[in-house]
Amino acid sequence: DTAVSQTPKYLVTQMGNDKSIKCEQNLGHDTMYWYKQDSKKFLKIMFSYNNKELIINETVPNRFSPKSPDKAHLNLHINSLELGDSAVYFCASSPGTSERGELFFGEGSRLTVL
Amino acid sequence: ILNVEQSPQSLHVQEGDSTNFTCSFPSSNFYALHWYRWETAKSPEALFVMTLNGDEKKKGRISATLNTKEGYSYLYIKGSQPEDSATYLCAPGGYSTLTFGKGTMLLVSP
Repeated sequence: DTAVSQTPKYLVTQMGNDKSIKCEQNLGHDTMYWYKQDSKKFLKIMFSYNNKELIINETVPNRFSPKSPDKAHLNLHINSLELGDSAVYFCASSPGTSERGELFFGEGSRLTVL
Repeated sequence: ILNVEQSPQSLHVQEGDSTNFTCSFPSSNFYALHWYRWETAKSPEALFVMTLNGDEKKKGRISATLNTKEGYSYLYIKGSQPEDSATYLCAPGGYSTLTFGKGTMLLVSP
């Protein structure tokens, strides 16, 4: 069983469209995250959810909205996609809220906006 | 968000060589430092989470040390093997926020 799973793995879409990436973890972790791997290959935090509550939200455009129906799921919705949104998006989870808990990453979702 | 620097950016060694990488970060507001191993086409996997100044952790041939007062951590690989080829990321952080470095890309040739 995959601990953190993301779908889809690849997504190609046109500018202006709205798309979602789903993430599920079966580890029983309290906190889930979305990271973006930017063009310079840095992993940058986008959102963090602890028990369905947003606890950090870095300077991400409000076209991006995380939705957590329960603590095992954190989905990423992106409205009005732009070329610059092309990237690999990683979901992750960790036990508790402290950053002392190691992160478990999904395999990433490569989004290409044409 | 912390300013995290990892060096070298990339490294090419022969099988059997020992190697080490550096992660530098601001020492203020330190809470924890993570090391991750990231193989191509896979997801990052945690190696160590370190919190205390002077911490030293070991997993097989890989070990890491932490100096929170001066703001650096070293990762050592003893007797590198081709399967050690990967990008090694460090991520220091304050409470609830981790900042990832760009990583050190290691290539081990047989």
